[in-house]
Amino acid sequence: SQTIHQWPATLVQPVGSPLSLECTVEGTSNPNLYWYRQAAGRGLQLLFYSVGIGQISSEVPQNLSASRPQDRQFILSSKKLLLSDSGFYLCAWSVGLNYGYTFGSGTRLTVV
Amino acid sequence: DAKTTQPNSMESNEEEPVHLPCNHSTISGTDYIHWYRQLPSQGPEYVIHGLTSNVNNRMASLAIAEDRKSSTLILHRATLRDAAVYYCIPRVNPNFGNEKLTFGTGTRLTIIP
Repeated sequence: SQTIHQWPATLVQPVGSPLSLECTVEGTSNPNLYWYRQAAGRGLQLLFYSVGIGQISSEVPQNLSASRPQDRQFILSSKKLLLSDSGFYLCAWSVGLNYGYTFGSGTRLTVV
Repeated sequence: DAKTTQPNSMESNEEEPVHLPCNHSTISGTDYIHWYRQLPSQGPEYVIHGLTSNVNNRMASLAIAEDRKSSTLILHRATLRDAAVYYCIPRVNPNFGNEKLTFGTGTRLTIIP
């Protein structure tokens, strides 16, 4: 069966520090991968999506970046965190139009 | 992208059916209609999706209007665990646009014991 792993579950980071969040998928190949963010009390915002290794599309210009070094690995990074980067970060995958998205359990990031 | 309109909130009694409406009048003919729900402090959970015909699964039913400008998610017998924010999302066909799901504000469903 397919599973999606996200870690860490919670993270507290100081302003200006780097960030690396990792997401891996098991049990499927060549999935579409997505990073979403949900600020406190707000809706989900699509940050990045990828349809293949090394292929990244950015939805919102910001100080975050994403990479897909392997087929089932998606990484969200920042060189210097801002207070406004705090939020609930969710990774998701899908294998095609006629399938739903499966979301990970998320990382709750607090920038202090 | 097609825009959706959902009630901000709804209430329903436990063990009664719930009908959650969604208007998507600008949807294109190739966009699937997806429904997700998000429980507190969790990521969204896929509920159901469809294109033109009504759909049923173990979680819910999806009724799609003939003109596809609206749809209704039906929970046949609400339980307290169904309390969540429900999102109706037209999913853009990647053959005609970028592959992505864009979440709106959804409907916050409260279940009354």
